[in-house]
Amino acid sequence: NAGVTQTPKFQVLKTGQSMTLQCAQDMNHEYMSWYRQDPGMGLRLIHYSVGAGITDQGEVPNGYNVSRSTTEDFPLRLLLAAPSQTSVYFCASGWTANSPLHFGNGTRLTVT
Amino acid sequence: AQTVTQSQPEMSVQEAETVTLSCTYDTSESDYYLFWYKQPPSRQMILVIRQEAYKQQNATENRFSVNFQKAAKSFSLKISDSQLGDAAMYFCALGGAGGTSYGKLTFGQGTILTVHP
Repeated sequence: NAGVTQTPKFQVLKTGQSMTLQCAQDMNHEYMSWYRQDPGMGLRLIHYSVGAGITDQGEVPNGYNVSRSTTEDFPLRLLLAAPSQTSVYFCASGWTANSPLHFGNGTRLTVT
Repeated sequence: AQTVTQSQPEMSVQEAETVTLSCTYDTSESDYYLFWYKQPPSRQMILVIRQEAYKQQNATENRFSVNFQKAAKSFSLKISDSQLGDAAMYFCALGGAGGTSYGKLTFGQGTILTVHP
């Protein structure tokens, strides 16, 4: 049972490039979400999904797109990377009243 | 909007001693959950303890316990018999209890805990 798997672990982009952060879970969770972690600011919600085909914006959605075509996968797309998107990104899945939120191990993204 | 505030950027404790990390929050929801997560240098997010707001009894998990004061909107974490492995960043988080609140957590800024041998 792998839990929540994020790839890649590290990535360096140049301003204006695009990329997709991958997230997959094998726990059949309906709920998946993306957070970014910046120094002194904790984790902030970017986008979330309550099931396949359903997504919505979180606190800091600008510059990011998501889609949820399957229960297992929830990719995060950066269309035009900017230095302000330098951060550590976490994918998480869960969560019901009886289970905690499961986090992936994070992706450290640097935009130069 | 929900907010979570951790007013202690850094804390330190001697091994085997007790330390308390503070957290205050604000929400308009009547039912919600509160969490403490631990993040060691490996970056992994590890759930330490969870409190359901409708339960008056404070949650405990081995050496970890909380002091949940609902009226004051306070949720502190007490670590007893501190161990070197407790050294990490600790995040307080608030989550809704129903519908699309699931999976949407609001985090505090974090407290770095140092444990001295």
